[in-house]
Amino acid sequence: NAGVMQNPRHLVRRRGQEARLRCSPMKGHSHVYWYRQLPEEGLKFMVYLQKENIIDESGMPKERFSAEFPKEGPSILRIQQVVRGDSAAYFCASSPGQGATTGELFFGEGSRLTVL
Amino acid sequence: AQRVTQPEKLLSVFKGAPVELKCNYSYSGSPELFWYVQYSRQRLQLLLRHISRESIKGFTADLNKGETSFHLKKPFAQEEDSAMYYCALRPVSGYSTLTFGKGTMLLVSP
Repeated sequence: NAGVMQNPRHLVRRRGQEARLRCSPMKGHSHVYWYRQLPEEGLKFMVYLQKENIIDESGMPKERFSAEFPKEGPSILRIQQVVRGDSAAYFCASSPGQGATTGELFFGEGSRLTVL
Repeated sequence: AQRVTQPEKLLSVFKGAPVELKCNYSYSGSPELFWYVQYSRQRLQLLLRHISRESIKGFTADLNKGETSFHLKKPFAQEEDSAMYYCALRPVSGYSTLTFGKGTMLLVSP
């Protein structure tokens, strides 16, 4: 089991461009979480998804940010019209499901977004 | 709303010294508390959870509801303990979404 896979590991965008970050959960996991880590800050929850459903997006900025977890394929965090303040490390985590709520999340290595 | 506070950004100790990483939380309901660790060039991973009452790699943590604390302790630090440590909380009932503190970097010198 390769674990949670995130790509790209590093992404550079100019202001106004779009950024797409992908996350493939661990095999057998149906729940995905996205967290953002700004410089000098901890991990901030953004969104929690199951296949084809957004369960909790209370941490997502109201504009420019969206996330999906389609029936097939990875979860995608999309940031439109990026600004310098979006520069951060974005971490994805997965868990087996609500029925196995041990609280353990399995994290990917993160995607570092730099906005020029 | 829940909040997790780790007051120390950096804790530096010598090998063999006791270690205590502080974590305080605020939450109106019943929380579950966790410690996650990130070693250099590795992924963030679960170290221990309060409900398990276990000792992992010599670390223990006791949930003190009166003081709303969940400090991580180890009697004798080792160099391989050097890492970033995050305290995290989630409601007992509800989703698995965790709220993390800002983390404490532990440096253990020889």
